[in-house]
Amino acid sequence: AQKVTQAQTEISVVEKEDVTLDCVYETRDTTYYLFWYKQPPSGELVFLIRRNSFDEQNEISGRYSWNFQKSTSSFNFTITASQVVDSAVYFCALSEARGNYGQNFVFGPGTRLSVLP
Amino acid sequence: DGGITQSPKYLFRKEGQNVTLSCEQNLNHDAMYWYRQDPGQGLRLIYYSQIVNDFQKGDIAEGYSVSREKKESFPLTVTSAQKNPTAFYLCASYQLGGAYGYTFGSGTRLTVV
Repeated sequence: AQKVTQAQTEISVVEKEDVTLDCVYETRDTTYYLFWYKQPPSGELVFLIRRNSFDEQNEISGRYSWNFQKSTSSFNFTITASQVVDSAVYFCALSEARGNYGQNFVFGPGTRLSVLP
Repeated sequence: DGGITQSPKYLFRKEGQNVTLSCEQNLNHDAMYWYRQDPGQGLRLIYYSQIVNDFQKGDIAEGYSVSREKKESFPLTVTSAQKNPTAFYLCASYQLGGAYGYTFGSGTRLTVV
């Protein structure tokens, strides 16, 4: 069975600090996708990134970066120089890579990030 | 702009009543999904549909029903059989074979009074 663990329930940082959100996953599939979503107070989940299991290159997008390590089954998310607008709940998710997510799209419990001014 | 519209944003239900949550998308996505979110928990799949007139149960389908008569619409009915319906409900859609993840609606918060 697939499982996603986000051990950090809540994190508080002061603006401009760097923060890393942890994600550990379990799957028996050899091909899969990993995702990060942001849920601001408005409620809508916003897609941030999708990573294929064959691509272990780290990704950087502005202040966001992702570290995918297959050896430790982790897909951690770092926000550099955090801002108040980064305050949200962040979800890590896992799916089989058949282009047919269906029941096999599993979300972690989420990490609530509060960035204080 | 393309997207998913969920309505209403807030919904109150008396015990014993059925209520229907609306989800409409104009993205021409094949697949649609309903998730339930409880405080401090991740999203749990209720139902999903990958094609018109067909849908599948997710992990927590009991007490819920859906229909998919049109590609763009996937309403969720919370029946009186659902014993603890107070939650935040999110609808999502996805183009099968697409390169990105789900597109989500802004959610409906259902409260039993």
